[in-house]
Amino acid sequence: DVKVTQSSRYLVKRTGEKVFLECVQDMDHENMFWYRQDPGLGLRLIYFSYDVKMKEKGDIPEGYSVSREKKERFSLILESASTNQTSMYLCASSTRRISNQPQHFGDGTRLSIL
Amino acid sequence: AQSVAQPEDQVNVAEGNPLTVKCTYSVSGNPYLFWYVQYPNRGLQFLLKYITGDNLVKGSYGFEAEFNKSQTSFHLKKPSALVSDSALYFCAVRDRDGGYNKLIFGAGTRLAVHP
Repeated sequence: DVKVTQSSRYLVKRTGEKVFLECVQDMDHENMFWYRQDPGLGLRLIYFSYDVKMKEKGDIPEGYSVSREKKERFSLILESASTNQTSMYLCASSTRRISNQPQHFGDGTRLSIL
Repeated sequence: AQSVAQPEDQVNVAEGNPLTVKCTYSVSGNPYLFWYVQYPNRGLQFLLKYITGDNLVKGSYGFEAEFNKSQTSFHLKKPSALVSDSALYFCAVRDRDGGYNKLIFGAGTRLAVHP
């Protein structure tokens, strides 16, 4: 089974802090994704990566950056956290080797910015 | 632009009754459609997908979905609901993105199954 692991389930940070959310997958997937989930809005794509050191903006990249130095690890960075970034953050991965395979998700990090 | 709509915020069903969670889509070209389920404090779990072929797709936990091209719908169904099916359900369509397997998600429908 694919395992996508997010380093923290719950995180509390202060406004202005630099925040790192980590995600690791164990299936050698090329694609990795970061979403935020807010009630009534579904999942919105922040950034994704299709290879090591490659990244593409999603629908809501403002205030975020990402890093992918190794294939299995994809980090989301909040450069200067703000209260409107309080949300559930979900990481996912998928293969590119076979078309139309589903994305596999981690359990999420519930981030609160005070 | 590709989009997905889940017209119901919440669906209430009695245990043992059939359930339907609705999804409509708007895409150019052939749609690639997915259903996911999210239990409390967990990530999304893949249930089933439609790529091509038979309009009735069977998935995990006894769920199935019916693809209807003329109505641009992909409704999730189960013949007999269980209390344990209570969760948040997301419909998604694959974006036309050059092979990155990006998905566009609906807002989600909360399913409540009552004993």
